[in-house]
Amino acid sequence: SQQGEEDPQALSIQEGENATMNCSYKTSINNLQWYRQNSGRGLVHLILIRSNEREKHSGRLRVTLDTSKKSSSLLITASRAADTASYFCATEPGGYQKVTFGTGTKLQVIP
Amino acid sequence: EAQVTQNPRYLITVTGKKLTVTCSQNMNHEYMSWYRQDPGLGLRQIYYSMNVEVTDKGDVPEGYKVSRKEKRNFPLILESPSPNQTSLYFCASSLREGRVETQYFGPGTRLLVL
Repeated sequence: SQQGEEDPQALSIQEGENATMNCSYKTSINNLQWYRQNSGRGLVHLILIRSNEREKHSGRLRVTLDTSKKSSSLLITASRAADTASYFCATEPGGYQKVTFGTGTKLQVIP
Repeated sequence: EAQVTQNPRYLITVTGKKLTVTCSQNMNHEYMSWYRQDPGLGLRQIYYSMNVEVTDKGDVPEGYKVSRKEKRNFPLILESPSPNQTSLYFCASSLREGRVETQYFGPGTRLLVL
């Protein structure tokens, strides 16, 4: 079963706009990670946020985590055409070593 | 260069013909994992390994086998492939210190089972 569900499934924005995508999960977690995938290639790690953190920044990326709502959001500011990709959240449920990915948000940034 | 390599990158085979997809990492990572990616289903974990000789099932292990005889290698074995195993497969590794942290992914293996 899918631990993480991303929302929206697809997002199309103009270059320069901000893109926000959300991830919801079902069980308690140790950490939540966001990954990026360009068209069928391997995933690239973007950012990790631990269960005791509420917000984290990395360059143009901002991630929030609300463990009470079991949700996280990824904000990409001032988007660029090169940000066009699919974005996935991944969680490791507390006490386990399995990793579960969501179904992903496909982002298109129009130049 | 730190990397995860997979071979082959593309494979077409027929139902029932055993195949192995190799995975190797040069980062001395303890944790390795196999995923399959299918449209609309995201990535699903097949098997993972915490260390040498320690493996466990992920969410979709049926029809797959793995082994971890060396720290750097984690091959995925399909003893009798079937068309429903047609998919994009990814190997990943992670330096695990108590928890699964950042995973490094291989480039993927596209498998078509006829």
